[in-house]
Amino acid sequence: SQKIEQNSEALNIQEGKTATLTCNYTNYSPAYLQWYRQDPGRGPVFLLLIRENEKEKRKERLKVTFDTTLKQSLFHITASQPADSATYLCAQNYGGATNKLIFGTGTLLAVQP
Amino acid sequence: GAVVSQHPSRVICKSGTSVKIECRSLDFQATTMFWYRQFPKQSLMLMATSNEGSKATYEQGVEKDKFLINHASLTLSTLTVTSAHPEDSSFYICSAFLTGLNTEAFFGQGTRLTVV
Repeated sequence: SQKIEQNSEALNIQEGKTATLTCNYTNYSPAYLQWYRQDPGRGPVFLLLIRENEKEKRKERLKVTFDTTLKQSLFHITASQPADSATYLCAQNYGGATNKLIFGTGTLLAVQP
Repeated sequence: GAVVSQHPSRVICKSGTSVKIECRSLDFQATTMFWYRQFPKQSLMLMATSNEGSKATYEQGVEKDKFLINHASLTLSTLTVTSAHPEDSSFYICSAFLTGLNTEAFFGQGTRLTVV
């Protein structure tokens, strides 16, 4: 079955540094990957989508890469701020033409001032 | 962007009672909505796909008689947790998509259910 793994350890970084989060997938090659931000007690909020034929996507301070050989996506936040502290979730579509998503466990990012 | 509204945000109920959670797409129509549950420090687990005008599709291991889903209009899906027990306490979240495939999901605010 499809599986997504994210580093379950919390990531603590200093304000201004670049945060890098990892998402690895197995057993299925998704057509795209998505990244979401989730704050405590809230629903996830969409950040970026990257398709299998795209190597990199950027949006303001965010950057996502997609390596289909390594079966891995990296999510970067440059010039991190305390307001970036949240859980970041990686998601992929279930097999086939569907909008059903399977999520990783998420990585908790804490940016220290 | 599209807005999905979920209500209530928190509910506490007694064991054995039923609880209804509403999920509305406020500024778009959604023929399909998805229901997830999330336990503390765990991932979102897909429970079911809610289809407007037809029966919901449940994921393996999810009891359809326990989690009743109704999608009576293009903007409203409801999840009813029947005969709730403490182990049903969780964070329930719905999502919807704009038309088309391979697009982002819009999530409701989530409902924290506590069964006492």
